[in-house]
Amino acid sequence: AQTVTQSQPEMSVQEAETVTLSCTYDTSESDYYLFWYKQPPSRQMILVIRQEAYKQQNATENRFSVNFQKAAKSFSLKISDSQLGDAAMYFCAYRSVNNYGGATNKLIFGTGTLLAVQP
Amino acid sequence: KAGVTQTPRYLIKTRGQQVTLSCSPISGHRSVSWYQQTPGQGLQFLFEYFSETQRNKGNFPGRFSGRQFSNSRSEMNVSTLELGDSALYLCASSLWQGVSYEQYFGPGTRLTVT
Repeated sequence: AQTVTQSQPEMSVQEAETVTLSCTYDTSESDYYLFWYKQPPSRQMILVIRQEAYKQQNATENRFSVNFQKAAKSFSLKISDSQLGDAAMYFCAYRSVNNYGGATNKLIFGTGTLLAVQP
Repeated sequence: KAGVTQTPRYLIKTRGQQVTLSCSPISGHRSVSWYQQTPGQGLQFLFEYFSETQRNKGNFPGRFSGRQFSNSRSEMNVSTLELGDSALYLCASSLWQGVSYEQYFGPGTRLTVT
């Protein structure tokens, strides 16, 4: 079974600074997708960034980028120029390409990292 | 386009009762997944539906069940509620099944069991 581990329950960053959130995962599959989701307080969870395992190039979305190390099974999120609106719980998630031969939308989540942004 | 809606947003039930939660996906979306979020266990997958068929199920007891209707709306039911069922229940919708399709989450239903 696949597992996702986020070892940093809480992180803090100064506004305009850069912060990196860590995520490791375990899987025997060779093809899969990884995601970072953001859950602001009392607001809906939204997708921040996604990474296809077969792509060596790290994904980037504006101020958000990932460092994907497939061999090490590591998937960290870097937030540059942090803003007050970045304060939220961040979840790393894993998704198989197939589930017993069929497509699946099932996400396996880590325990989350609560990010605080200091003004 | 309206987002994923979940009703009710808050619910208080007594141990032993049953509860039904509803999820209306984004218009046109055919896939709905459900998750339970608790401080202790985090986010756990309950089940997913596509075209009215359950495609995948998480490791939850049989007290947890769900269904999807022809208009893609989905309901989940929990019978014989236990205190440990207190959680935020999230649903997510997707246009189709498969990783090419982004999932959009609803605001959740906060269930409190007393």
